[in-house]
Amino acid sequence: AQKVTQAQTEISVVEKEDVTLDCVYETRDTTYYLFWYKQPPSGELVFLIRRNSFDEQNEISGRYSWNFQKSTSSFNFTITASQVVDSAVYFCALSGINTDKLIFGTGTRLQVFP
Amino acid sequence: DAGVIQSPRHEVTEMGQEVTLRCKPISGHNSLFWYRQTMMRGLELLIYFNNNVPIDDSGMPEDRFSAKMPNASFSTLKIQPSEPRDSAVYFCASSWPGRSGRGIDTQYFGPGTRLTVL
Repeated sequence: AQKVTQAQTEISVVEKEDVTLDCVYETRDTTYYLFWYKQPPSGELVFLIRRNSFDEQNEISGRYSWNFQKSTSSFNFTITASQVVDSAVYFCALSGINTDKLIFGTGTRLQVFP
Repeated sequence: DAGVIQSPRHEVTEMGQEVTLRCKPISGHNSLFWYRQTMMRGLELLIYFNNNVPIDDSGMPEDRFSAKMPNASFSTLKIQPSEPRDSAVYFCASSWPGRSGRGIDTQYFGPGTRLTVL
């Protein structure tokens, strides 16, 4: 069975702090895909990144970076120098080669205070 | 480019009434997904279509829920009769099947429909 665990329910930081959101996944597939989505207070779900299981290179996009480690089944997301606009719920998700379904974690609510 | 379009954005109805939610996927995407989000259950996949054909409806709560995709650019999710426990945000998402022909490419979500059943 596939499962995504986001153990951090809520994180609060002060602006300019770095913050890491954890994501641990379970799958029996050898090929799979990992995603992060952002849900700001306005409610829409915004795609952030997609990573294939055979590509373990870390990715950096501006203040955002992602650390994919197959050995620990983790796909963590770091925001550097956080800003108030980063306040949102962040979801990690998993899909496998044999399914079109996205399995979502329960989300981590990030609050960035000025 | 237009994203996934959902209507209405908000719906308030009374218990027992029929509710129809609408979705227009991104042009060229031929996989379409309906999700429901609640505080208690998080994001749940209700049903998804590939090339207008329902592939997996195991997430549909019960017979009161039905979904159709009459063509590549339109889908509906209907609840009849509606109940207060159906109150939730309903998201539609679409994806491009990619080389594999499967919908495992990135899913792009619409803005959601917030449904309140009184």
